[in-house]
Parts: sequence; C-alpha cells; structure tokens
Amino acid sequence: KQEVTQIPAALSVPEGENLVLNCSFTDSAIYNLQWFRQDPGKGLTSLLLIQSSQREQTSGRLNASLDKSSGRSTLYIAASQPGDSATYLCAVKAAGNKLTFGGGTRVLVKP
Amino acid sequence: DAMVIQNPRYQVTQFGKPVTLSCSQTLNHNVMYWYQQKSSQAPKLLFHYYDKDFNNEADTPDNFQSRRPNTSFCFLDIRSPGLGDAAMYLCATSADGYEQYFGPGTRLTVT
Repeated sequence: KQEVTQIPAALSVPEGENLVLNCSFTDSAIYNLQWFRQDPGKGLTSLLLIQSSQREQTSGRLNASLDKSSGRSTLYIAASQPGDSATYLCAVKAAGNKLTFGGGTRVLVKP
Repeated sequence: DAMVIQNPRYQVTQFGKPVTLSCSQTLNHNVMYWYQQKSSQAPKLLFHYYDKDFNNEADTPDNFQSRRPNTSFCFLDIRSPGLGDAAMYLCATSADGYEQYFGPGTRLTVT
C-alpha cells in the first residue's frame, strides 16, 4: 500500500528565504507526482505535475524534483513571499486513477 | 475560463437530514472524483467516475452515494449525515486520470 509522508508538518521562514518542502513515498511504481497548494478553507490548486520519467519541473519561482528510485520529491520555492503562506500537499498517482496524498506542510512566511 | 465549480460553497444540514452536494466542470474531463477532507488532514478519496463507470473506495461508508447524469455534472448524496461527516468536500476532474483539477470545495456543517 502506497504511503506518502511530508516532513516537516509545519515550517516558518522569514520573507526572502528559499523554501524546501519534502515528500517521500514508499512504492516507486508511480505514474506521476503532483504538488498542490491549499489556502485555509479553500480547494486545492495544482502547482506542478512531474511525470515518472521526468527529473524535475519548473514554473516561475517553483521547482520540483523527483527521484523515483529513492521515493522522494522536493518542492523548492525561491525568494519566499508572505503570499506563499499556505499548506502544500504532494500526491502520487500509481495504477488506477487514484491519488495518494501526503499530510501536507503548513508554511508561514513572515514579513 | 474552464473550471470546476462546486455548489453550494457552504452547506448546513441537520443530523440525519439528506443532503446533496453538486459539482460541475467545463473542462470536458472524463474522470470526476469526490474527496472528503477533515480539518488538518489530507483529502480522502470517496469514489470516482471514469466516464460512466463508478468506482467506490473500499472504506467509503454506505451513507455516501454519487450520481453522474452526464459528463459535466456529478453529485454527492449523503443519505443520513452524522456529526462525523462534517468536513470539506472536494470535487476534482482529470482527463484519463492525468493531472487532477480541484474545485473550491463545499464545507458541510452538521447540526
């Protein structure tokens, strides 16, 4: 059974510092991995999707890497801003149409 | 803009009174999902439709049902809501199980 873990559960950084969010999964037989952002009381916004054949994806200040063999993905957010404060969730897709989510990392960027 | 829409955004129901949550999409995606998310937890998949095929998760209570009358709409019916069913309900769509796009969610309160 696939298990996805995100550590730390919460992170607080001063504005301008780079953010590094970690995601690990137990079964490397995945099709893709998706990073989401969730603001309090809101739905999920897809940030990046990495296919299993890819090593990384970039969008603006966001960069996500994938090391399938070791079961790890890292989301980097450069030059953090207070508006980056949110919960970040990673999810992996294996066989079938189901995503398995990690518990999320709650990020606070202090001005 | 193509999107996933959920109505209502906030729903209050009484203990045991049936309630229906609605999801519609303009993305023309063939897969639609319903997730339950409780406070500070990861989303939990309840069921999904792949085209017209209904796929129920093994641990989804019988109290939860779903209907998909056409490609654009999907409904979540809770037959007899209990206090433990208070949560955010998230609808998502994807094209053939690829990247998932989420709606803003419906927050359900049970009194």
